[in-house]
Amino acid sequence: GQNIDQPTEMTATEGAIVQINCTYQTSGFNGLFWYQQHAGEAPTFLSYNVLDGLEEKGRFSSFLSRSKGYSYLLLKELQMKDSASYLCAVRAAGNKLTFGGGTRVLVKP
Amino acid sequence: GAVVSQHPSWVICKSGTSVKIECRSLDFQATTMFWYRQFPKQSLMLMATSNEGSKATYEQGVEKDKFLINHASLTLSTLTVTSAHPEDSSFYICSATQDSSGNTIYFGEGSWLTVV
Repeated sequence: GQNIDQPTEMTATEGAIVQINCTYQTSGFNGLFWYQQHAGEAPTFLSYNVLDGLEEKGRFSSFLSRSKGYSYLLLKELQMKDSASYLCAVRAAGNKLTFGGGTRVLVKP
Repeated sequence: GAVVSQHPSWVICKSGTSVKIECRSLDFQATTMFWYRQFPKQSLMLMATSNEGSKATYEQGVEKDKFLINHASLTLSTLTVTSAHPEDSSFYICSATQDSSGNTIYFGEGSWLTVV
């Protein structure tokens, strides 16, 4: 079976850094994705990790440890527009993505 | 860049009727598309894998006779919700991969279905 856990909600201040953790237990692993989703909209791609280590993309970074079944998404220099849900998704076989419950991030002034 | 488009964005239908949602890959061919459902404040749940030229593969608990999927061409998959009920009201999203690696996954804009 597939089990993907991430915190339900996080609150942070504008300009700060927030780290969203994701742990997974899946039958098979072929990559981990992070998506941002604003309410009522489709998810937008943020990052993809398949090897251990840190992937940096501007203000967003994602880390993966396959041996620990663990990933995190790091958001730096938070902006108000970063208030959204962040979805961790694991790909097993056949390009199927299994999503975690999502983490709602609220950025306060 | 590559875009996946869904239509309609919003649809309201009467209970007992059927409604069709289209998912198109606009500038690439997608042999496989995926259909998800998302209830308010919940995450995306995979419903089925749509395969061009063959039957869709449904996830456990998803009724294949209620959610009909047709993938007649390399750029179009359709999801038909048959005999819709209010509990089918949800946000339906499709996705498609652009390349064989599957690392580039695009989502459609989503379709809000309200059954009254």
